[in-house]
Amino acid sequence: DAGVTQSPTHLIKTRGQHVTLRCSPISGHKSVSWYQQVLGQGPQFIFQYYEKEERGRGNFPDRFSARQFPNYSSELNVNALLLGDSALYLCASSLVGLAIETQYFGPGTRLLVL
Amino acid sequence: AQSVTQLGSHVSVSEGALVLLRCNYSSSVPPYLFWYVQYPNQGLQLLLKYTSAATLVKGINGFEAEFKKSETSFHLTKPSAHMSDAAEYFCAVSDPSGGGADGLTFGKGTHLIIQP
Repeated sequence: DAGVTQSPTHLIKTRGQHVTLRCSPISGHKSVSWYQQVLGQGPQFIFQYYEKEERGRGNFPDRFSARQFPNYSSELNVNALLLGDSALYLCASSLVGLAIETQYFGPGTRLLVL
Repeated sequence: AQSVTQLGSHVSVSEGALVLLRCNYSSSVPPYLFWYVQYPNQGLQLLLKYTSAATLVKGINGFEAEFKKSETSFHLTKPSAHMSDAAEYFCAVSDPSGGGADGLTFGKGTHLIIQP
């Protein structure tokens, strides 16, 4: 079975631009979470979605938004990019998003903002 | 609010030696605890998790961790290090009272170096 997939793998943008990152969960998983991993740090929680609804949000500005589609894939959108948004963006999927469940991570999208 | 502290941003051991990576947590309720490994340019892979069953948890690749409530710790160990263990290791907590909606809270990671 395929794991969590993310696209694109790498992305270069300039300050002020907008970016869309995509994620496909493991088949059968209905919950998707997004994390930001700045170089040298642990991942930081951005959003959790379950059944197309936002269930949780971390401490990120409104420039960050996401959505989940009927097939449970998800998009993360970041507006008005800042240099500090340069990071590895990780998507994780789980069955229904409970705290006890294992989250399975994709390989990430590496975003560089110039 | 939860937090995770991983002592030692870098740990170096010789091949065949004991691996000990430290993790302490802060949580208002007994949390669920996870150890993930990240190889260069890859995502995170689960090594093991504690979900309030047995306090000694065995994971993949010979790793295990022991939950000690009195010490608020969940240290990761492996009896004999292998060169392929060189990677970044992350400890994470999940708050049962939040139902999972708060996601995982990660520590800053420990870079494990294996010397031949």
